[in-house]
Amino acid sequence: EPEVTQTPSHQVTQMGQEVILRCVPISNHLYFYWYRQILGQKVEFLVSFYNNEISEKSEIFDDQFSVERPDGSNFTLKIRSTKLEDSAMYFCASDGDTDTQYFGPGTRLTVL
Amino acid sequence: AQKITQTQPGMFVQEKEAVTLDCTYDTSDPSYGLFWYKQPSSGEMIFLIYQGSYDQQNATEGRYSLNFQKARKSANLVISASQLGDSAMYFCAIRPPGSARQLTFGSGTQLTVLP
Repeated sequence: EPEVTQTPSHQVTQMGQEVILRCVPISNHLYFYWYRQILGQKVEFLVSFYNNEISEKSEIFDDQFSVERPDGSNFTLKIRSTKLEDSAMYFCASDGDTDTQYFGPGTRLTVL
Repeated sequence: AQKITQTQPGMFVQEKEAVTLDCTYDTSDPSYGLFWYKQPSSGEMIFLIYQGSYDQQNATEGRYSLNFQKARKSANLVISASQLGDSAMYFCAIRPPGSARQLTFGSGTQLTVLP
């Protein structure tokens, strides 16, 4: 069964450093998303991506964040200068022409 | 704006019993989708079930069913014959119509299945 994959599973970084979180969505899917979940809290939408451009973004997704689909398979989230409050689980998700969004296993980002 | 409310932070159920997890929603859109996801302690988000606002019948997927009451704006998840492996956090989510496909999640319900 096809699945969304994410790397790394855990990333530890120093405050102010740049991080890139990587995702490989399901191959025939067209819509891609990043969500985050601060420990013990609900899942929050960050950004959606369709047809090689951002289609929606939340207030959380400020200038420190960017997304890219550098090739036909990868979908990345970059945080330019990490803050302590960026520590969270980051989920990538994708969906095709059905109604279901499938989530990856997540990347746990720890900012020290 | 869309909103999901899950009023049960924690629930307990005996193994093999059925359990209902509550979800109410608020939206002004006539068309929307409702989802339930399971998050075990390992952290991944597992899709369980989907209900479209215009679907005539309640969605079912194996032991999961969705008690959809549109007039009351509720979309409760029913898990039949609970198993120990059902112990997890359960999130209800809503998606607006059209090109804005992002999900808005509730705060979740932690379900514990007792042996």
